[in-house]
Amino acid sequence: RKEVEQDPGPFNVPEGATVAFNCTYSNSASQSFFWYRQDCRKEPKLLMSVYSSGNEDGRFTAQLNRASQYISLLIRDSKLSDSATYLCVVTITTSGTYKYIFGTGTRLKVLA
Amino acid sequence: SQTIHQWPATLVQPVGSPLSLECTVEGTSNPNLYWYRQAAGRGLQLLFYSVGIGQISSEVPQNLSASRPQDRQFILSSKKLLLSDSGFYLCAWSFRGTGELFFGEGSRLTVL
Repeated sequence: RKEVEQDPGPFNVPEGATVAFNCTYSNSASQSFFWYRQDCRKEPKLLMSVYSSGNEDGRFTAQLNRASQYISLLIRDSKLSDSATYLCVVTITTSGTYKYIFGTGTRLKVLA
Repeated sequence: SQTIHQWPATLVQPVGSPLSLECTVEGTSNPNLYWYRQAAGRGLQLLFYSVGIGQISSEVPQNLSASRPQDRQFILSSKKLLLSDSGFYLCAWSFRGTGELFFGEGSRLTVL
């Protein structure tokens, strides 16, 4: 089983739609959680951290369910510029060092 | 502010040739440093990470190696490249702890 699993998509949605991505992780000792965005042929960039109580940043809402080892990202009112690959990331600690483990990503294409 | 530089941006190398990719971080001390590889259409695979000068942890057995000769310098090397080494190589850094992971702009390697 992969450490972090995501539906690869692609998700093709019209502008203005609401879309949700899910992610599951296998290591119950995972400590921190993030969503990154990666544009084609570019480096990943942080979209938002994910907190236990859930958090929102504008049109983006992230939620964490530690019991089910599940993370979600909700995008409301999708824009053309939201088209990208969304990467779920968890950290685990090994010998006092934090490792960042990435899912394979979910592709989103927002259509005009 | 902190910045990360990675070079070269693009390179095409024949099978069996050596490789050296370099990454430097500015504006911080004692960063955790990471090398990732992303094969075409795939997720990010953690290759190496380092918590200090000369301290390298390897994630995946392969013909690559990493070194950290200075606090803010991280080098990825190979003595003989394989076709399967082609990909997008990303250097990243984080503060101690589990905060954001910051990426360089990446090095795109094609092995022919």
